[in-house]
Amino acid sequence: NAGVMQNPRHLVRRRGQEARLRCSPMKGHSHVYWYRQLPEEGLKFMVYLQKENIIDESGMPKERFSAEFPKEGPSILRIQQVVRGDSAAYFCASSPGVQNNEQFFGPGTRLTVL
Amino acid sequence: AQSVTQLGSHVSVSEGALVLLRCNYSSSVPPYLFWYVQYPNQGLQLLLKYTSAATLVKGINGFEAEFKKSETSFHLTKPSAHMSDAAEYFCAVSAINAGNMLTFGGGTRLMVKP
Repeated sequence: NAGVMQNPRHLVRRRGQEARLRCSPMKGHSHVYWYRQLPEEGLKFMVYLQKENIIDESGMPKERFSAEFPKEGPSILRIQQVVRGDSAAYFCASSPGVQNNEQFFGPGTRLTVL
Repeated sequence: AQSVTQLGSHVSVSEGALVLLRCNYSSSVPPYLFWYVQYPNQGLQLLLKYTSAATLVKGINGFEAEFKKSETSFHLTKPSAHMSDAAEYFCAVSAINAGNMLTFGGGTRLMVKP
């Protein structure tokens, strides 16, 4: 049973470009969470999605950031017009449901903005 | 609202010594509490979790934590440190009525001296 998969593991973008981060949850998991870890800091919640629905995006910056979890395929975190401050590790976690509160984390995508 | 405070961003112990990592939480509803470990450039691995059952929780790799409601604490301990325990440790809190989003502490980097 494969774990949570994220790709790419490392992503380099120049200022103003777009970054797309992908997350494939564990098999049977329909809940996906995205977290951001800035250098030397803990993880901060960004967005919580279920299939085709955004449940809570209270941690998402108001501009340039968006997330989706389509019926088919991975969850996507999209950052438009990246800036240096977006450089961070982005982690995805999945869970089988609200009643089972354990989240399983992927290895993360490390975004570097030049 | 929930929050987590980890006292001590860096903790250093000798191999074979007791490990004690401190975590205090704040939650307006009964919490679920977690300890995760992160090795360099990797994702988070669950060490243990408290979900309102036994207050003393045993996890992997010889770690355990005790939930103390009166002290709002969930400190992580291990009787004897091993070199392989050197990593970053994160305490986190969630609540089922908050979609199970995790709120993390700032992390504690554990160093183990030979």
